[in-house]
Amino acid sequence: QITLKESGPTLVKPTQTLTLTCTFSGFSLSTSGVGVGWIRQPPGKALEWLALIYWNDDKRYSPSLKSRLTITKDTSKNQVVLTMTNMDPVDTATYYCARIRITMVQGVYFDAFDIWGQGTMVTVSS
Amino acid sequence: DIQLTQSPSFLSASVGDRVTITCRASQGISSYLAWYQQKPGKAPKLLIYAASTLQSGVPSRFSGSGSGTEFTLTISSLQPEDFATYYCQQLNSYLPYTFGQGTKLEIK
Repeated sequence: QITLKESGPTLVKPTQTLTLTCTFSGFSLSTSGVGVGWIRQPPGKALEWLALIYWNDDKRYSPSLKSRLTITKDTSKNQVVLTMTNMDPVDTATYYCARIRITMVQGVYFDAFDIWGQGTMVTVSS
Repeated sequence: DIQLTQSPSFLSASVGDRVTITCRASQGISSYLAWYQQKPGKAPKLLIYAASTLQSGVPSRFSGSGSGTEFTLTISSLQPEDFATYYCQQLNSYLPYTFGQGTKLEIK
């Protein structure tokens, strides 16, 4: 069974740095064709993709947030960590981590976020 | 940046209805599109990837089609558990993995 769980502070102050940890089980980030991504959702709003990291340490970031984000992995601990600097009240959201799986369909490789964590709510307020 | 525009944003339908949700990309993304279902207070669930491939365990009443810039998600016969919000996401690795703004499907 594959599970992912997000952990981190529920409340951060403006200008602080947020550090979130995704701890997963049932798969390894040393296995080809997998990765872990972060997605957030402000209350009542749409999903927003933030970042992802693949088994080969390839990293991708949302262009609009790239300067504030860092994603890393610890394969031995089955963890992926996301840091976001200079937090602002508009960053208040539920933050999800999800496994990204690469699958071949008719000879072409496709990504999809197939398993998601339950999410963790982060509020930015002084 | 690439934009994904879903239509409609809200949809009211009855159990047994056939419904279609459209996702339009601001630039061509081949078949690099996925659809997710999200219920209130829950994480999204993958329904379809590669535009038309059904994720394992997802009922066959869900189907996806399209390529390039226009995609559709169809539910052939709505069931009570299908009332939720649906999101498309582009997954062409040369572009940001953007989501659409969502379509809320409500009971009529």
